[in-house]
Amino acid sequence: AQKVTQAQTEISVVEKEDVTLDCVYETRDTTYYLFWYKQPPSGELVFLIRRNSFDEQNEISGRYSWNFQKSTSSFNFTITASQVVDSAVYFCALSTGGFKTIFGAGTRLFVKA
Amino acid sequence: EAGVTQFPSHSVIEKGQTVTLRCDPISGHDNLYWYRRVMGKEIKFLLHFVKESKQDESGMPNNRFLAERTGGTYSTLKVQPAELEDSGVYFCASSQSAGTGYGYTFGSGTRLTVV
Repeated sequence: AQKVTQAQTEISVVEKEDVTLDCVYETRDTTYYLFWYKQPPSGELVFLIRRNSFDEQNEISGRYSWNFQKSTSSFNFTITASQVVDSAVYFCALSTGGFKTIFGAGTRLFVKA
Repeated sequence: EAGVTQFPSHSVIEKGQTVTLRCDPISGHDNLYWYRRVMGKEIKFLLHFVKESKQDESGMPNNRFLAERTGGTYSTLKVQPAELEDSGVYFCASSQSAGTGYGYTFGSGTRLTVV
């Protein structure tokens, strides 16, 4: 079975704090892709990153960084020096063979000024 | 490039009524997907079109839901008759390339409330 678990339902931080959003996935496939999407208050889902199962290099993009660890089936997302504009719901997702993407339940991040 | 457009953005209907949601994908994207998020839970797959053909509709909850994609362009998702449990946010997404590994471009969603 394929599953994505985002155990943190809501996180609240103060601006400039670092915050890590956890994502644990389950799949028996050896080839798969992991994603993070952001849903700001405006409602649309914004693609942030894609990582394939053969590339365990961590990635940094500005204040965002992602830590992919196959040994623990985790794909965690860290925002450094959070800002109010980072407030949103963040979804982790998994895609294997076929066209479906399996999403986690999302983590709502509140960043207070 | 225009993004994926969905309308209406919000819809409130009574139980038993019919509602039709529309999605206009990015021009040239053959693949169109419908997803739904109910009650703050996971975003779940409903179906996938390749052009005008349904590639996979295994996620459609029941026969009250009907999706069409006329001429491989825009798509509609009709709920008839609507039930309370149909309330949620319906997302449409499109992609140029098919298969795994490609991030979608999502629309802003349609928030459906059935009362």
